[in-house]
Amino acid sequence: DVKVTQSSRYLVKRTGEKVFLECVQDMDHENMFWYRQDPGLGLRLIYFSYDVKMKEKGDIPEGYSVSREKKERFSLILESASTNQTSMYLCASSFQGGASDTQYFGPGTRLTVL
Amino acid sequence: AQKITQTQPGMFVQEKEAVTLDCTYDTSDPSYGLFWYKQPSSGEMIFLIYQGSYDQQNATEGRYSLNFQKARKSANLVISASQLGDSAMYFCAMSSAAGNKLTFGGGTRVLVKP
Repeated sequence: DVKVTQSSRYLVKRTGEKVFLECVQDMDHENMFWYRQDPGLGLRLIYFSYDVKMKEKGDIPEGYSVSREKKERFSLILESASTNQTSMYLCASSFQGGASDTQYFGPGTRLTVL
Repeated sequence: AQKITQTQPGMFVQEKEAVTLDCTYDTSDPSYGLFWYKQPSSGEMIFLIYQGSYDQQNATEGRYSLNFQKARKSANLVISASQLGDSAMYFCAMSSAAGNKLTFGGGTRVLVKP
């Protein structure tokens, strides 16, 4: 079974702090994704990566950056957290792309920025 | 641009009955995939079922079936013999030929009554 893990289920940070969200997958998947989920807005793609050290912006990259130094690990970074970044963050991975490629999700991190 | 619409924000279903969750989509891509995910209150997105745009038969996975009507651009999920554990949010999503992004609908909350 595919397993995607995220470093924290719940996280509380203060405005202006630098925040790291970590995601690890154990299935040798090429692609990894970061989404945020807000009520009424569904899931929106922040960034994705199709290979080590490669990244592409999604629909809402502003205020975020990412890092992929190893194939199995994809980090989301909030350089200076703001209250409007309070949200549920979901990481996903998939084998190698294509319309039939299923994305598998981690358990999510509920981030609150005070 | 791709768009997914789920018009039912919430619904009740009696245990052991079937329920249909509506999903319509819009895309100009000839090749795409349609996915359904379940999100329990724990937050994890669980993959349920996949339908490819060129698949001739409707997909089925256990108690889940996908009613794919390409001309109407609909991909409704049918859950047969509902169980209490089916209470969750359900999301319809679409991939493109590039496969690097899923576009999600707003979700439908299902509550199964005993």
